[in-house]
Amino acid sequence: KNEVEQSPQNLTAQEGEFITINCSYSVGISALHWLQQHPGGGIVSLFMLSSGKKKHGRLIATINIQEKHSSLHITASHPRDSAVYICAVQYDNYGQNFVFGPGTRLSVLP
Amino acid sequence: EPEVTQTPSHQVTQMGQEVILRCVPISNHLYFYWYRQILGQKVEFLVSFYNNEISEKSEIFDDQFSVERPDGSNFTLKIRSTKLEDSAMYFCASRDLPYNEQFFGPGTRLTVL
Repeated sequence: KNEVEQSPQNLTAQEGEFITINCSYSVGISALHWLQQHPGGGIVSLFMLSSGKKKHGRLIATINIQEKHSSLHITASHPRDSAVYICAVQYDNYGQNFVFGPGTRLSVLP
Repeated sequence: EPEVTQTPSHQVTQMGQEVILRCVPISNHLYFYWYRQILGQKVEFLVSFYNNEISEKSEIFDDQFSVERPDGSNFTLKIRSTKLEDSAMYFCASRDLPYNEQFFGPGTRLTVL
């Protein structure tokens, strides 16, 4: 069965801290997505990865295909980063079927 | 910046009634998706749609669900006879190519009484 796991489930950090959220999956994938879900419910796509590393501002995402593992890093965290971060994987090149992780709830305190 | 829109933002209905959730994807996008998130649970894939037909659907997407692109701009999800357990946030998403990022709509919160 295709499972996506995330750790930690909840994370509280102080403003300025470096944050890492992990995602692991059970079978081979064609791509992995990191999503941000705001407290109001809206979802924003942060990254789509099939290999290596991507960086956007203070966010960095890495993936290790052999180990079936990805990490999302936030440098110099800020209270506005508080959200649920979701890892989702797609299993075919046409991206027609996604499996989502349970999400990591991040709270950054000022 | 182009965005995916969804209407209504909140829909309340009685059990057994039909509902239609509407989405307007980004105009040059070709791949469309519906997802569901029951309160407190993870997001679940429902269905994907390309070239005017369903590409893939999950086990959740049974005969009470249907999707349509009636006029080249709207993308709708119909639930024929709603059940209490259909109460959830429904997200629409679109993308231009299958290996690009998805853009999500703001969601429709469906409450079935």
